[in-house]
Amino acid sequence: EDQVTQSPEALRLQEGESSSLNCSYTVSGLRGLFWYRQDPGKGPEFLFTLYSAGEEKEKERLKATLTKKESFLHITAPKPEDSATYLCAVQGTTSGTYKYIFGTGTRLKVLA
Amino acid sequence: EAGVTQSPTHLIKTRGQQATLRCSPISGHTSVYWYQQALGLGLQFLLWYDEGEERNRGNFPPRFSGRQFPNYSSELNVNALELEDSALYLCASSVTGEESGNTIYFGEGSWLTVV
Repeated sequence: EDQVTQSPEALRLQEGESSSLNCSYTVSGLRGLFWYRQDPGKGPEFLFTLYSAGEEKEKERLKATLTKKESFLHITAPKPEDSATYLCAVQGTTSGTYKYIFGTGTRLKVLA
Repeated sequence: EAGVTQSPTHLIKTRGQQATLRCSPISGHTSVYWYQQALGLGLQFLLWYDEGEERNRGNFPPRFSGRQFPNYSSELNVNALELEDSALYLCASSVTGEESGNTIYFGEGSWLTVV
């Protein structure tokens, strides 16, 4: 069964304390892996798309990496404004059609 | 360029009533997706439309329905509202979901409260 698991569920960091969020996936025919940031009560904001193992993308303090089984979102020297829920999603093929599957997210709190 | 827009922002309905939510995709996008996000829970896939047709449907009862118009905008209808339908309803769009690897972009959502 296609599945996306994110860990940890919640993470508290001190400002400047770097860490990584994990997204493990099982999907038929991975076509893309996506990271989003979601602030409370708002829609998810797109961060990165990764397509193949070994690919990396960076944006400000965030860096996303992809292997054949998982993706990491590395946060370097985080600031309080990085506090949000980070969602991972994969696009796979099921019964001949494409399907997006979301994880339940990691709630990140960065303390000043 | 305008992103995905949704209306209304907030909607309060009574149990048993019907709710209609609307979505305009990013210009050039033909696929529209609807997701439900109950408080504190993950995104649950509802519906996917592309080129005016329903392409896929999540595990929701038939009282959740929708349609996509010729201009690619979409509406989600929820009939016979139940208290547990209270949630944030998110619309997303992409350059046709019939191709692989297309990123989906979300709107800000519509909050539906059923009392």
